[in-house]
Amino acid sequence: DQQVKQNSPSLSVQEGRISILNCDYTNSMFDYFLWYKKYPAEGPTFLISISSIKDKNEDGRFTVFLNKSAKHLSLHIVPSQPGDSAVYFCAAKVTDKLIFGTGTRLQVFP
Amino acid sequence: EPEVTQTPSHQVTQMGQEVILRCVPISNHLYFYWYRQILGQKVEFLVSFYNNEISEKSEIFDDQFSVERPDGSNFTLKIRSTKLEDSAMYFCASSEREGGYSYNEQFFGPGTRLTVL
Repeated sequence: DQQVKQNSPSLSVQEGRISILNCDYTNSMFDYFLWYKKYPAEGPTFLISISSIKDKNEDGRFTVFLNKSAKHLSLHIVPSQPGDSAVYFCAAKVTDKLIFGTGTRLQVFP
Repeated sequence: EPEVTQTPSHQVTQMGQEVILRCVPISNHLYFYWYRQILGQKVEFLVSFYNNEISEKSEIFDDQFSVERPDGSNFTLKIRSTKLEDSAMYFCASSEREGGYSYNEQFFGPGTRLTVL
């Protein structure tokens, strides 16, 4: 059941440049979307979120864009830093639960 | 900064044994969750808990699983008779009361790695 999809398993970006991570979803009942960052052997760390009634939310270097007609959201990180290297998960909220994507491994190199 | 904590970090058990995974949610949070991640797979929702009762559960959360808030701080997940396929990382999460500023945001603990032999 692929309700939340992250089609790029990995992304490599040079330090200082923009990282763009993408996520698609199929269920129009999702009312809230979140991005989490995860390091190996740790739990997901909340990064940024967006309500389905908005199309953009910004927090420092992180911006999330939501395109409801395309059922697509993206996370922009600018400028990218080596410490951003991790796996990024997109998640959608419906009722109480979060539905996660498969994750995108971001590597930021000097 | 407040955080969710989980114990133990790693639990090894024999098939058929009971295990209890423990979590201490963020202190002013009222909603509690368990998720799991089997190696190489997605993070999957198991159960949500509010006001001392289950508010939602997934198909995975069958009669072998139970949750409890035995006191004002702990939240536990019990697996009565473990199976090989229960081997996974189990994550506890919590969120604020409905209407709270970050109600929709769930904050995760570091996880317990369960290995069933």
